Amino acid sequence: QSALTQPASVSGSPGQSITISCTGTSSDVGSYDLVSWYQQHPGKAPRVLIYEVTKRPSGISNRFSGSKSGNTASLTISGLQAEDEADYYCCSYVGYSTPVLFGGGTKLAVL
Amino acid sequence: QAQLVQSGADVRKPGASMKVSCKASGYNLKSHGISWVRQAPGQGLEWMGWITSYSGKTTYAQKFQGRVTMTTDTSTNTAYMELRSLRSDDSAIYYCARDMTNESGYETSAFDIWGQGTMVTVSS
Repeated sequence: QSALTQPASVSGSPGQSITISCTGTSSDVGSYDLVSWYQQHPGKAPRVLIYEVTKRPSGISNRFSGSKSGNTASLTISGLQAEDEADYYCCSYVGYSTPVLFGGGTKLAVL
Repeated sequence: QAQLVQSGADVRKPGASMKVSCKASGYNLKSHGISWVRQAPGQGLEWMGWITSYSGKTTYAQKFQGRVTMTTDTSTNTAYMELRSLRSDDSAIYYCARDMTNESGYETSAFDIWGQGTMVTVSS
């Protein structure tokens, strides 16, 4: 199976909001509310930001929010801060032979 | 505080096997499944498979079937991932990650605790 589709890069200025999309198909993202998002800084392990499309684990800032429409999930980061500069990955349960797929990743630059 | 601590970096020759360990502390491995995710240099995350907490049942990504085995040792609270017939493109950082459950106790296919990663280099 192909990875979920994310833009390679996005950028924003401090204080602005940005949205990262994650596009799958009606068989994966469109069929299950099991999309999660991860932040990864260079040389570090990923950290979960969002699970089950919209839920934030305890300790995650409410500047991070998730949503889904049809076959596309989205991560919105509001009030951009310098420390938000990182790689972001979506992930979804896809239900068939390889049950979990990650997106290709999006590099966020805070200008 | 729950955490996962992985074994150290390794160098293997093509055709050989590798085995990475992932020791859980602060929680019982039997309460959550464990997934394995790898990341080649400069590349994205790739899910390899998981082992469930309650039955030890494994599900592997199609790409790795026949070449990977995931196990747990509940006596030491440690998970293991063995990959065989190594190739140069298996060089990557390998992560173990805890499968996350929601407020109702259902698995979410998300991963809330990650090991620090184990760098494996496959080179002759």
